[in-house]
Amino acid sequence: GAVVSQHPSRVICKSGTSVKIECRSLDFQATTMFWYRQFPKQSLMLMATSNEGSKATYEQGVEKDKFLINHASLTLSTLTVTSAHPEDSSFYICSATTLGGTEAFFGQGTRLTVV
Amino acid sequence: KQEVTQIPAALSVPEGENLVLNCSFTDSAIYNLQWFRQDPGKGLTSLLLIQSSQREQTSGRLNASLDKSSGRSTLYIAASQPGDSATYLCAAYKGGSEKLVFGKGTKLTVNP
Repeated sequence: GAVVSQHPSRVICKSGTSVKIECRSLDFQATTMFWYRQFPKQSLMLMATSNEGSKATYEQGVEKDKFLINHASLTLSTLTVTSAHPEDSSFYICSATTLGGTEAFFGQGTRLTVV
Repeated sequence: KQEVTQIPAALSVPEGENLVLNCSFTDSAIYNLQWFRQDPGKGLTSLLLIQSSQREQTSGRLNASLDKSSGRSTLYIAASQPGDSATYLCAAYKGGSEKLVFGKGTKLTVNP
């Protein structure tokens, strides 16, 4: 299957700083990428849909100024958590769909801890 | 609004047992349904994708079925092994969208 690489896998940052998470499709072009957040023992919650070359579409309740998404190419999307606070600590996962969007492939996830 | 429910939330079985995980969804106008496996602290691994026109998919010891009329999907695992221990998530594609709606998952423990 297609491979999606997410980096870093784990990051610890100080409160007030910004953190960037990368999501790359390694062997296919992903016109659409998705960013999810997962709380402990909870399901994945979609944060935003990222389309190459255009602004991301955020789900209701997600602060677009806090969670900046850039989809600069067909293989790379980035999520920047700005002015991070302890409540932003979570597991963030990206996914990418192949052309036609029939199947989603997920990255390995990033464990963010804000201290 | 599509909602996905998985039952049971947790399941513990002895090695070698056949088992069934259940997934139900509220909107039958789904596009596709996908089953994933998630190991602790890891991302998701796609197990099976069932397209809306299909009724089941098989991969090795795994078999997933889809009944759109009743809003249900099941994941059957044959001859379970300790390595199957993980959380299993089902997700439905919202009709007319590439967005996935996830259930909360079933945490499976296979005891040696």
